[in-house]
Amino acid sequence: SAVISQKPSRDICQRGTSLTIQCQVDSQVTMMFWYRQQPGQSLTLIATANQGSEATYESGFVIDKFPISRPNLTFSTLTVSNMSPEDSSIYLCSVEGGGSNEQFFGPGTRLTVL
Amino acid sequence: AQSVTQLGSHVSVSEGALVLLRCNYSSSVPPYLFWYVQYPNQGLQLLLKYTTGATLVKGINGFEAEFKKSETSFHLTKPSAHMSDAAEYFCAVSSSRSASKIIFGSGTRLSIRP
Repeated sequence: SAVISQKPSRDICQRGTSLTIQCQVDSQVTMMFWYRQQPGQSLTLIATANQGSEATYESGFVIDKFPISRPNLTFSTLTVSNMSPEDSSIYLCSVEGGGSNEQFFGPGTRLTVL
Repeated sequence: AQSVTQLGSHVSVSEGALVLLRCNYSSSVPPYLFWYVQYPNQGLQLLLKYTTGATLVKGINGFEAEFKKSETSFHLTKPSAHMSDAAEYFCAVSSSRSASKIIFGSGTRLSIRP
């Protein structure tokens, strides 16, 4: 299984600012995913990020709010832009695990917006 | 289209008792099925998965799940609960026909009584 790290592990931000979350994998992967987990809720997929192409966003998520970079096969960033308290969530990145579509998850970034 | 329904947002059992967490899925193609566990303040960890073949799948920490196509179910069990099993458990489904995203259920919080 892949080892995934995320930075920062948590942050407290002011309304209207932006935060960039980093996701680093210890092996090369084609597909990386970004999820949001609101307090007490399940995971909601924000977007799929493939190296060398634009990220594919799910319904309800837009690039202006959640720009994603994928510069190489081991790294990705998610920016949460112009934050509001409703953006307070855990943000998780994951990577594909093999032919059965399983995913391996990072430890998450706990974001609080005041 | 695929979906997952987890019955019971919160399950409480005594230490040493049987653990049963219920999951029903909907899928128009043969599914891949997963159970993930999330310990407090951590990311998700894969417990077990069903792809093809044997319908009784054994995972880590003594958990197992049985794929029942006729009932569209994939319930998670453990014969004897330990205090360390207290966590959030997510059932998830993916398509077996192509590389695709995972759809997560709403989650079940498992509490263990001493």
